[in-house]
Amino acid sequence: AQKVTQAQTEISVVEKEDVTLDCVYETRDTTYYLFWYKQPPSGELVFLIRRNSFDEQNEISGRYSWNFQKSTSSFNFTITASQVVDSAVYFCALTPGDSGGYQKVTFGTGTKLQVIP
Amino acid sequence: EAQVTQNPRYLITVTGKKLTVTCSQNMNHEYMSWYRQDPGLGLRQIYYSMNVEVTDKGDVPEGYKVSRKEKRNFPLILESPSPNQTSLYFCASSSHGKKSPLHFGNGTRLTVT
Repeated sequence: AQKVTQAQTEISVVEKEDVTLDCVYETRDTTYYLFWYKQPPSGELVFLIRRNSFDEQNEISGRYSWNFQKSTSSFNFTITASQVVDSAVYFCALTPGDSGGYQKVTFGTGTKLQVIP
Repeated sequence: EAQVTQNPRYLITVTGKKLTVTCSQNMNHEYMSWYRQDPGLGLRQIYYSMNVEVTDKGDVPEGYKVSRKEKRNFPLILESPSPNQTSLYFCASSSHGKKSPLHFGNGTRLTVT
């Protein structure tokens, strides 16, 4: 069985502060895929990033960065200099990769980020 | 424009009255799936489909049915809705299954009284 834990239910920061959203996962697969999705107040779900289990390079995209550490089974998401538009619920998700063609996606419970102006 | 279209956006119904939530994608994706979102529980997978006529259960399939007769459509059927199926539902598609990101519809908020 696989599991994704987002222990932070809600976080509030003041605009321009940095914030890190934690994601810890469990899986028995040696190959797997990790994702982050954003759900703004309007309700749609938007894909942010994917990371393969065999690629531990961290990634930076503008103010967003992701830190993938297999040793601690974590895939954390940092927003630098937060803005009000970053206010949303963020979901971490895991898809196992060892079995062929099967797509069982497990989501965390989400972290609601509120950026206060 | 590439998109996943769900209908309706809002639906209020009564216990036991059969309903269907439609989902259609125009990206020629093979994989489609349904999720429900509940406070404190995140998104949970209901059913998924790897191709036409190929479907399988996710984590919470009880009380739901799906069909995949055409590649672009993946309707969610509630034969006899109950109040515990009141939720926000999302349909999603992806091009290459497990390693591809999900493209989500805009969601359907269902209330069963």
